[in-house]
Amino acid sequence: EAGVAQSPRYKIIEKRQSVAFWCNPISGHATLYWYQQILGQGPKLLIQFQNNGVVDDSQLPKDRFSAERLKGVDSTLKIQPAKLEDSAVYLCASSLRAGNQPQHFGDGTRLSIL
Amino acid sequence: RKEVEQDPGPFNVPEGATVAFNCTYSNSASQSFFWYRQDCRKEPKLLMSVYSSGNEDGRFTAQLNRASQYISLLIRDSKLSDSATYLCVVNSANTGNQFYFGTGTSLTVIP
Repeated sequence: EAGVAQSPRYKIIEKRQSVAFWCNPISGHATLYWYQQILGQGPKLLIQFQNNGVVDDSQLPKDRFSAERLKGVDSTLKIQPAKLEDSAVYLCASSLRAGNQPQHFGDGTRLSIL
Repeated sequence: RKEVEQDPGPFNVPEGATVAFNCTYSNSASQSFFWYRQDCRKEPKLLMSVYSSGNEDGRFTAQLNRASQYISLLIRDSKLSDSATYLCVVNSANTGNQFYFGTGTSLTVIP
């Protein structure tokens, strides 16, 4: 079974630039999550999708972050404009459905803001 | 108060030792509990789910104490390959099924 695919693996941009990350979940997984993990901390949920609908985006900084999952499969997360504090690893995870199903993570995108 | 709290460590133990980590959670309505393992510069990987009656997987034992709102992970006969960060994860239906991660506990097993 193929795992969660993410790209790019690494991205370096200057502050105020924009960046986009892509995620393809495990086939058949209805629920998709984007997390931000800052060095030394646990992952923090940014947004959760159930199929193509948003379940929870309460911790997404909506003035600069946006995400979509238009066809209920792959998803993109965008930051525009980026700030220095956005330097982190952005992890995508998927699960069969919401609730008590464990999540499976992609390799993540390591973002550095200069 | 944080949703999930863990002792960040680091825990440095010799090979063969037994080590235990605790994790406390604040939402008494939490329903699902997990331990994840994260190696340096890698993604978190599911180690085990935590069931109400406690569960064991080889050298790993997980327990849940709902009254005191904590979960624990016990590792017996530590191996060098157990060196990693262990993340406690809690899920609550009354907060939109959001998963809350602890900051992780760092373990280094020393030869």
